Amino acid sequence: QKEVEQNSGPLSVPEGAIASLNCTYSDRGSQSFFWYRQYSGKSPELIMSIYSNGDKEDGRFTAQLNKASQYVSLLIRDSQPSDSATYLCAVLVANAGKSTFGDGTTLTVKP
Amino acid sequence: GAVVSQHPSWVICKSGTSVKIECRSLDFQATTMFWYRQFPKQSLMLMATSNEGSKATYEQGVEKDKFLINHASLTLSTLTVTSAHPEDSSFYICSARISAYYNEQFFGPGTRLTVL
Repeated sequence: QKEVEQNSGPLSVPEGAIASLNCTYSDRGSQSFFWYRQYSGKSPELIMSIYSNGDKEDGRFTAQLNKASQYVSLLIRDSQPSDSATYLCAVLVANAGKSTFGDGTTLTVKP
Repeated sequence: GAVVSQHPSWVICKSGTSVKIECRSLDFQATTMFWYRQFPKQSLMLMATSNEGSKATYEQGVEKDKFLINHASLTLSTLTVTSAHPEDSSFYICSARISAYYNEQFFGPGTRLTVL
C-alpha cells in the first residue's frame, strides 16, 4: 500500500462544475497536508495547506481533512479550463523531515 | 513571498560532463531544501533532503557520488550531476521549506537537463 494514494484520473468536469479530488494516507501520525497544482511541463505550486480536521476555504478552493478516516480532499468550485492540471496531495508525518507526495490526479476542465 | 529560483532553467550537455544546478530561496531562509527528479508523465521522485551545513540525506537508490548536493547557506543549495549520461536527462526541481513548524514547501521552476 502506498503511503499517499490518489486516483490517477483523468478526472474530467465541465466548466463551472465542482471538481472533487481525493487523497488517502496510511500513517496516522500525519500532521500536515498539502495540495499542489502542477501544469504540464512546470513545477508544482502550493495551493492549499491544512493542519486540522474540517474545512479550509481559499477562494474557489476548499480543502477538507478527516484524520479519523485518513482522508483529505480538495474541492474546486466553478471550475475553469485554466484549472486543468495535475493535482498532487502531500502528507507530512511528524518528525519525518519530508513530505510524501501522491502520484497526482490529472484534472481536465472542458469548456 | 516564498519565491524559489533555479538556475539554469534548461541545460544541454555532452555525455560525461558535469552540470551544476543552483536553487535559491529569494525572500526567506529555508531550513531545509529538497531535490526532486521527474521524468515525462511520471511522478515526482525525491532524490535528497538537505539542511544547511549538514550532509544531504539521499533516498534509497540515488547515488550520492553522482548527485552531489551542497547546502552552503540558508538560501542556497546546489545539485551537481557528475559524469552525466543520457539516462540522467530529466526535469530537476528543488523546493525549500520555510520552517519545521508549517512545513510548507515552495518549488523552484525546475531545470530541464538534456544529456546528449
